[in-house]
Amino acid sequence: QKEVEQDPGPLSVPEGAIVSLNCTYSNSAFQYFMWYRQYSRKGPELLMYTYSSGNKEDGRFTAQVDKSSKYISLFIRDSQPSDSATYLCAMSRSGGSNYKLTFGKGTLLTVNP
Amino acid sequence: GAGVSQSPSNKVTEKGKDVELRCDPISGHTALYWYRQRLGQGLEFLIYFQGNSAPDKSGLPSDRFSAERTGESVSTLTIQRTQQEDSAVYLCASSFAGTRNINEQFFGPGTRLTVL
Repeated sequence: QKEVEQDPGPLSVPEGAIVSLNCTYSNSAFQYFMWYRQYSRKGPELLMYTYSSGNKEDGRFTAQVDKSSKYISLFIRDSQPSDSATYLCAMSRSGGSNYKLTFGKGTLLTVNP
Repeated sequence: GAGVSQSPSNKVTEKGKDVELRCDPISGHTALYWYRQRLGQGLEFLIYFQGNSAPDKSGLPSDRFSAERTGESVSTLTIQRTQQEDSAVYLCASSFAGTRNINEQFFGPGTRLTVL
């Protein structure tokens, strides 16, 4: 079993839809949870991060962490064609090794105008 | 300011040849990372440099892989005797380091390596 599981999709939605992206993980030591967005032929860029359990909102994006279920989610409201990209979840421990990120495979999202 | 840059953007090589990939981090970033992204897979951590500390090489897949960093600037990732399974995008990232809870890693565009 991989430490982080993420459905690779692809996921195709119409413009304006609410998008739900998810990851599950097995390592209970993970404390930091991140979502990266990667456009084609580009490096990933950090969208949001949360520490431990809880929700975090930033504009149209909401990140949720449920540590009891080892499940994290990213919601995108009012999705736009410019949101079309691969979304990668990533996680790390706290403390001295917090730099070592473990990534999911990424979910390819297409938002159709 | 300029972001993380990597060169070459694409590299095609023959099996058994050595390749060298270069990364220029963001100025002022003391931490530098290398990742590998195989087709359809997530990013795999390879190596981490922080200042003058000994690098964390725990992600290097074999002794054919090595990396160096000159001070707090340029880094090179070298793959010796390349194999077809080395074909992937090699991504470099840099960040500040220290006592922050999370040190946001800024990624370069990657080098796409194809081993024939």
